[in-house]
Amino acid sequence: QVQLVQSGAEVKKPGASVKVSCKASGYTFTDYYNHWVRQAPGQGLEWMGWINPNSGGTNYAQKFQGRVTMTRDTSISTAYMELSRLTSDDTAVYYCARAAARPGSVWSPDYWGQGTLVTVSS
Amino acid sequence: QSALTQPPSASGSPGQSVTISCTGTSSDVGGYKYVSWYQHHPGKAPKLMIYEVTKRPSGVPDRFSGSKSGNTASLTVSGLQTEDEADYYCSSYAGSNNLVFGGGTKLTVL
Repeated sequence: QVQLVQSGAEVKKPGASVKVSCKASGYTFTDYYNHWVRQAPGQGLEWMGWINPNSGGTNYAQKFQGRVTMTRDTSISTAYMELSRLTSDDTAVYYCARAAARPGSVWSPDYWGQGTLVTVSS
Repeated sequence: QSALTQPPSASGSPGQSVTISCTGTSSDVGGYKYVSWYQHHPGKAPKLMIYEVTKRPSGVPDRFSGSKSGNTASLTVSGLQTEDEADYYCSSYAGSNNLVFGGGTKLTVL
């Protein structure tokens, strides 16, 4: 069955960086884009961007450009999201989600990871 | 890119129907057929319920249906069941390779 298993919770200080991993199984990793979405406490979902695991191509939301880097390691079917220059506003649960690499479908992620809580605190 | 507008809460009794709205602009909801709806039980992974405005993924009960009129999309849950109590989020393609979500609606089954 399709699974996206994310790395564990992180506590970071302001100004630091965090790297969250998302290991895929149950499907062909390179056939699906990986989106990253976050949810701050008491807030809604916020889209951060995606990576095409096949090409390594990325597309970031304007809000995060310059601060986020999405990468992948196809040998271990794992996607990564690194966010730098953290502030308390980045405290959130970060989700990875897959979306079929087909026109239209790429904008409807269908399976999501369990989420990774990132806490930014001095 | 501004978030799509959803009512913060909705409610209904078991067996009833409830509709949740998702209002955007002609640059997102109104301009594309790529509106999705997600069910999110706190502490769990969001689940895709509707994609491309009206389509249901395999395994999603036909009690869930989607529609769109102009800049507003809607999710209707018919025959409410207690397990439908969750947060619901809409999303839409917003052009220029952007995706935008709604603020979420907490559905309570009374």
